[in-house]
Order: sequence, then C-alpha cells, then structure tokens
Amino acid sequence: DVQMTQSPSTLSASVGDRVTITCRASQSVSVWLAWYQQKPGKAPKPLIYKTSSLESGVPSRFSGSGSGTDFTLTISSLQPDDFATYCCQQYNDYPYTFGQGTKLEI
Amino acid sequence: QVQLQESGPGLLKPSETLSLTCAVSGYSIRSGYYWGWIRQPPGKGLECIGNIYHTGRTYSNPSLKSRLTISVDTSKNQFSLKLSSVTAADTAVYYCARFGVGPRAFDSWGQGTMVTVSS
Repeated sequence: DVQMTQSPSTLSASVGDRVTITCRASQSVSVWLAWYQQKPGKAPKPLIYKTSSLESGVPSRFSGSGSGTDFTLTISSLQPDDFATYCCQQYNDYPYTFGQGTKLEI
Repeated sequence: QVQLQESGPGLLKPSETLSLTCAVSGYSIRSGYYWGWIRQPPGKGLECIGNIYHTGRTYSNPSLKSRLTISVDTSKNQFSLKLSSVTAADTAVYYCARFGVGPRAFDSWGQGTMVTVSS
C-alpha cells in the first residue's frame, strides 16, 4: 500500500495567517492526490482533487500543489471556519490511502 | 444533487457479520461511477474498504478482502457492505461515498454511521 504521511500533525495558527500542510507519499502517485476537510462528528468535505483543482464552492484561499511524492495544501488567509482537520488521499493505486490528518487549531 | 445515506445496526458482537446499506438519491447508480465504503476508527484516520461499479465490478482493500462483500442493487439505487467475523478493531464510523466523477476522488459522502463491536 502507498503510505501517506502528513506534517505537521497539529498546527496552531491565527485568523489571517497563511498556512501550509505537507503530504508525502511513499511512492509516486502522479497527480492523483485529493484533500479533505473534516470537522468533529462530520463526514470529510472534499476540497481539492487532482492535486490542485478546487471542488465547486471551495473558497479560492485554498490551493494545492505538487506531483509525484510531495504535495502541499495552502490556505492563504485563515478564516474562523477553517479550523478543522485536513487529510490527503492518494487515488493512483488501490487501496486508496489517506494521510493521518493535520489538525489546524487556534 | 446526489445524497447518500448509510443504514445498519450500530452494535455488533464479536464474530458477527456487519451489514450496511447506502441509499443513493439524486443520481442513478446505473448511470456510472464507482461507489465506495470508507471507515474511520475513533480518533484515527480514514481507511478505504472497497469500491464497486454499477456493473458489479469491485475493488477491495486486501487487508479486508477475505471478510468483505460489496454488492450493488441498481433497482433500489443502493449498494451494500458485508464484513464477516468482526472484532473490536472493526469499530468505526462507516461512510459511503461516490468516487471518480471525472478526475475527482470521493466527491460526495454520506453522513456516516457508527458501528461498535463489543461483547
């Protein structure tokens, strides 16, 4: 299985900050990398697919980049609603695998 | 807009079989795409269980494959999961989701259902 490792596990930030979360794959996943946002007790919300494409309705302050094994999710200016857990997922090889999550907290 | 809703028992005893159904509305499973099951143990990360296409073609996580059956009923517009011989390690929130609309991954999710395995 492709192992997905996120860093950091926890990130403390403030409203208005620019933050970056990193996701590293144990082998190349090409561009087949998605990002999700999850709040407690809720299903994951899709944010980005194919490394850098925003899902419909996702604010433009979210962006993704990378290819191969190294990927990043950037939030350009944190808003109060952005404090949540973020996880990456590779869907290049089955079983599709997720990172362990990065908790973004105030 | 597609909506997914999981249903099934919330409490099982060890060695029993977990059965969940995902009812899909707002989109016909027969029209295409893959439909998947994902689970999340308490306080842990997400794990893909398996996907099924409307034709019945499946992909299963090798770690679960020997205990897993995923099926689709296009007449009821739903798909199902059966996981046999459950243990406490199968305690998790189980989600169903749609996969693979174009280049997308899981783009629509059910709200999830908590399944606890305990004697």
